[in-house]
Amino acid sequence: QKEVEQNSGPLSVPEGAIASLNCTYSDRGSQSFFWYRQYSGKSPELIMFIYSNGDKEDGRFTAQLNKASQYVSLLIRDSQPSDSATYLCAVNTGTASKLTFGTGTRLQVTL
Amino acid sequence: DGGITQSPKYLFRKEGQNVTLSCEQNLNHDAMYWYRQDPGQGLRLIYYSQIVNDFQKGDIAEGYSVSREKKESFPLTVTSAQKNPTAFYLCASSIGNRAAGYTFGSGTRLTVV
Repeated sequence: QKEVEQNSGPLSVPEGAIASLNCTYSDRGSQSFFWYRQYSGKSPELIMFIYSNGDKEDGRFTAQLNKASQYVSLLIRDSQPSDSATYLCAVNTGTASKLTFGTGTRLQVTL
Repeated sequence: DGGITQSPKYLFRKEGQNVTLSCEQNLNHDAMYWYRQDPGQGLRLIYYSQIVNDFQKGDIAEGYSVSREKKESFPLTVTSAQKNPTAFYLCASSIGNRAAGYTFGSGTRLTVV
């Protein structure tokens, strides 16, 4: 079983809709959860982080964490074509500072 | 501006050749990391260092070597023992605790010719 799992997609949503990206993780001791956005050929950039159960909102982005069910999700409201990218979920699964990444979900926002 | 710089952006390696990828940061971060990214496989950890003069193997360390002689620098050498080195290599840094996210460099794309 992979430590961090994501559906590879592509997830296609129309412009203006809500995009919902999901991630599950296997280590119940995980404490820190991150979402990165990666455009094709570029390096990942951090867009959200969450540590506690519940929702965390930042502009059009909302991260949701449910530790009991071991999943973390990212909602993108009012999706724009510029949101088209691969979204990587990352989890701190150990005692060190290193992150384990999922394989990413490719999001396509259509006009 | 603080940041993390990787060079070169593109690198071509001949069979049997060792090559070194540079990673420098001026963020005063304690921890630095090297990841490899292949299509459809996400990011895989090669090596990481949480303090100067110390580093640990990641999940795919075979065929790679690193050094951490200065806080700012964490070069990665891809040796001839790495049989499939063609990939996108990403260097990252963080303040080094479990709550910290990474700052990534812009990456080096290595191709075997």
